[in-house]
Amino acid sequence: AQSVTQLDSHVSVSEGTPVLLRCNYSSSYSPSLFWYVQHPNKGLQLLLKYTSAATLVKGINGFEAEFKKSETSFHLTKPSAHMSDAAEYFCVVSAPNAGNMLTFGGGTRLMVKP
Amino acid sequence: NAGVTQTPKFRILKIGQSMTLQCTQDMNHNYMYWYRQDPGMGLKLIYYSVGAGITDKGEVPNGYNVSRSTTEDFPLRLELAAPSQTSVYFCASRDFSYNEQFFGPGTRLTVL
Repeated sequence: AQSVTQLDSHVSVSEGTPVLLRCNYSSSYSPSLFWYVQHPNKGLQLLLKYTSAATLVKGINGFEAEFKKSETSFHLTKPSAHMSDAAEYFCVVSAPNAGNMLTFGGGTRLMVKP
Repeated sequence: NAGVTQTPKFRILKIGQSMTLQCTQDMNHNYMYWYRQDPGMGLKLIYYSVGAGITDKGEVPNGYNVSRSTTEDFPLRLELAAPSQTSVYFCASRDFSYNEQFFGPGTRLTVL
């Protein structure tokens, strides 16, 4: 069994300040972990993924995430928020069963103030 | 490549009506998936397929059916629409070798 908990349903930052979106997971397997972004009324876009290589993963648009096995965490960060970063972010875990089905967290809505 | 395409983009159904949501991918991916996303929630897996002729249930399969007669197409069927099926439906596909799923743009379905 696997599950994902996104610790904040809403995060608000000012433009130019750092972003931290927190994610904890549980999995019976060695998981693959992902962050997806969803802009309003749009589909999902992959930001980055961890698949058992380097624990610090760099993604698109300046985002990165660090896999910490001891803490079962995969937090998403960005040094400086941009207005275009305002969106819903999903932390996702995948395990090698059931066709590598994805289990989604509940999402974090990121708001960026000017 | 068009990637993953879904039709229709929007649909309103009356209770008890049926419809098929279409999903097509042109990346020759083995794996295909159907998810639903309820307001303010993450996606939940309805059905998935690991290849033509093979399908299996996900977390929330009740009220839906699928078929996979070709590699490219993975339609989702609602037989007796209910208000609880009001949601946004996403189709996704994945190559056997890679763990990344590619998502379609979604179908917004309302059942009244």
